[in-house]
Amino acid sequence: EDQVTQSPEALRLQEGESSSLNCSYTVSGLRGLFWYRQDPGKGPEFLFTLYSAGEEKEKERLKATLTKKESFLHITAPKPEDSATYLCAVPLDSSYKLIFGSGTRLLVRP
Amino acid sequence: GAVVSQHPSRVICKSGTSVKIECRSLDFQATTMFWYRQFPKQSLMLMATSNEGSKATYEQGVEKDKFLINHASLTLSTLTVTSAHPEDSSFYICSARTGYPLTGGYTFGSGTRLTVV
Repeated sequence: EDQVTQSPEALRLQEGESSSLNCSYTVSGLRGLFWYRQDPGKGPEFLFTLYSAGEEKEKERLKATLTKKESFLHITAPKPEDSATYLCAVPLDSSYKLIFGSGTRLLVRP
Repeated sequence: GAVVSQHPSRVICKSGTSVKIECRSLDFQATTMFWYRQFPKQSLMLMATSNEGSKATYEQGVEKDKFLINHASLTLSTLTVTSAHPEDSSFYICSARTGYPLTGGYTFGSGTRLTVV
């Protein structure tokens, strides 16, 4: 069964304390793995797409990596404005329906 | 580019009434739109896929008669929650597959907070 699992469910960091979020997936034929940021009461905001194992992408304090079984979102020296829910998602079969993980709620304290 | 406008952002309705949520693609043609539902502190759950000019495809467990989806044009998809009840209160989000690389090929609306009283 195709599945996307994220951990941890919630993460509290001090400002400047680096950490990583995990997204593990089991899908037949990966058509990309997506990372989104979601603020309360808003729609998801696109961060990255990764397509093949070994691929890495960076944006400011965020860096996403991909292996054959999982993806990591590394947050370096986070700031309070990085507080949000981070979602990963994969397209399901040829219909390209995006299936989301349960998300990681990140809180960065000043 | 590739903007999806979703309205209303918030709506409160009485139990038993119907509510319509609109999603418009402003600068592209959306042949396929996805509708999601999100409960507090939970992830997005796919409800249905709508294709322009054809019937929507609903995910298992989603009531077709309660959540009516219409995709009559390439720029507009609507979700109507019929005979709404308090348990239908949720955050509803639409998404369009755009193929626009800067947004990863998908664009999301800003969401609609539905409260049924």
